[in-house]
Amino acid sequence: GAGVSQSPSNKVTEKGKDVELRCDPISGHTALYWYRQSLGQGLEFLIYFQGNSAPDKSGLPSDRFSAERTGGSVSTLTIQRTQQEDSAVYLCASSLRTVGYGYTFGSGTRLTVV
Amino acid sequence: RKEVEQDPGPFNVPEGATVAFNCTYSNSASQSFFWYRQDCRKEPKLLMSVYSSGNEDGRFTAQLNRASQYISLLIRDSKLSDSATYLCVVNALGPSGTYKYIFGTGTRLKVLA
Repeated sequence: GAGVSQSPSNKVTEKGKDVELRCDPISGHTALYWYRQSLGQGLEFLIYFQGNSAPDKSGLPSDRFSAERTGGSVSTLTIQRTQQEDSAVYLCASSLRTVGYGYTFGSGTRLTVV
Repeated sequence: RKEVEQDPGPFNVPEGATVAFNCTYSNSASQSFFWYRQDCRKEPKLLMSVYSSGNEDGRFTAQLNRASQYISLLIRDSKLSDSATYLCVVNALGPSGTYKYIFGTGTRLKVLA
């Protein structure tokens, strides 16, 4: 597609439930990133995938968070046993490479845990 | 020390003013630098890359000072529509041996009529 597509755009879930957030990057972009942003806060790095390299998971806040990228394209971020502090906007971005190229962000998934 | 640091602001300036933001970074091996703009409740969007020789795009000028490890963004003739949060982005070597981008927390600009 022309841009980075994320779904769903909004998700309300009950505490303790699992959620899956999807990101469809720009075709041909080898680098894919997940960030989250709480209201009024900066971007918090979660995980990134670069081609066939092992993903950099150093930003995942707990083992309840995991992400996959299948076939070098679509990525799914899974949050298990959601907590209220997981409420945030989850942003996905893709880039042609990680050196010299800026990101294109999707419009995000707004997650609310009640 | 944070990897990327910005003054959070807000910078309140009148229309037509010139305003400048700085951003410092800690990793001397960083190679790529960008400024992003984020409007309220929207995703960040790339404003401009920052090149070693400095670069200009209309009213916007970006500069890089490698020796002092900072980048700057200058906005001339500010417009109301420039009101936004400006994010500094720097790449850094991750634990997997590849580069990743680190975002600053942003500087908020409010241009006043």
